[in-house]
Amino acid sequence: DTGVSQDPRHKITKRGQNVTFRCDPISEHNRLYWYRQTLGQGPEFLTYFQNEAQLEKSRLLSDRFSAERPKGSFSTLEIQRTEQGDSAMYLCASTPPGGGMDEQYFGPGTRLTVT
Amino acid sequence: GQNIDQPTEMTATEGAIVQINCTYQTSGFNGLFWYQQHAGEAPTFLSYNVLDGLEEKGRFSSFLSRSKGYSYLLLKELQMKDSASYLCAVRDRAGNMLTFGGGTRLMVKP
Repeated sequence: DTGVSQDPRHKITKRGQNVTFRCDPISEHNRLYWYRQTLGQGPEFLTYFQNEAQLEKSRLLSDRFSAERPKGSFSTLEIQRTEQGDSAMYLCASTPPGGGMDEQYFGPGTRLTVT
Repeated sequence: GQNIDQPTEMTATEGAIVQINCTYQTSGFNGLFWYQQHAGEAPTFLSYNVLDGLEEKGRFSSFLSRSKGYSYLLLKELQMKDSASYLCAVRDRAGNMLTFGGGTRLMVKP
């Protein structure tokens, strides 16, 4: 298994455009998370899926943001009408079924620059 | 909600020991994690504490005191490659999300 993958790794877009990012978790990991990280800060939680169900959303996730995980495998995060403040690294993480000490495995992230 | 504090930057010498502190105030607690993050890369898991005490893992150890809302990460025999940001994160009671501190940027000098 090659770990969590994200695509694209970098995205430059103009303000007002829509962008979509993809995350492929580690196979058989049923829990998937999205985080946003700005320079010099820790990651901030955005949303969480267990299988295909979106169980938690942060207040950071405005109505311009939508995330899906239609078949309980890969996930997409879409940002509509991008703003310069959306420029950040978008990280995806996954964990296996169960609980306990299972750490979240992070992908390499998608760096978004809104010009 | 969760509030997590850690120093912004630290500097240490190769071969030395460094302790990175983390304090937290939470409305729910289900474990504390330390992650390492090199510039431009994803965070990678270092350690996990859910009960009070010290967890040791090679050159890295992590300590937790739940009553004090306090943890530290101890790095021994520092190497240049340990220069990175170290993130403290608390998991919520439901176990569904991590709240991260701002990270401590560690610079290891020769």
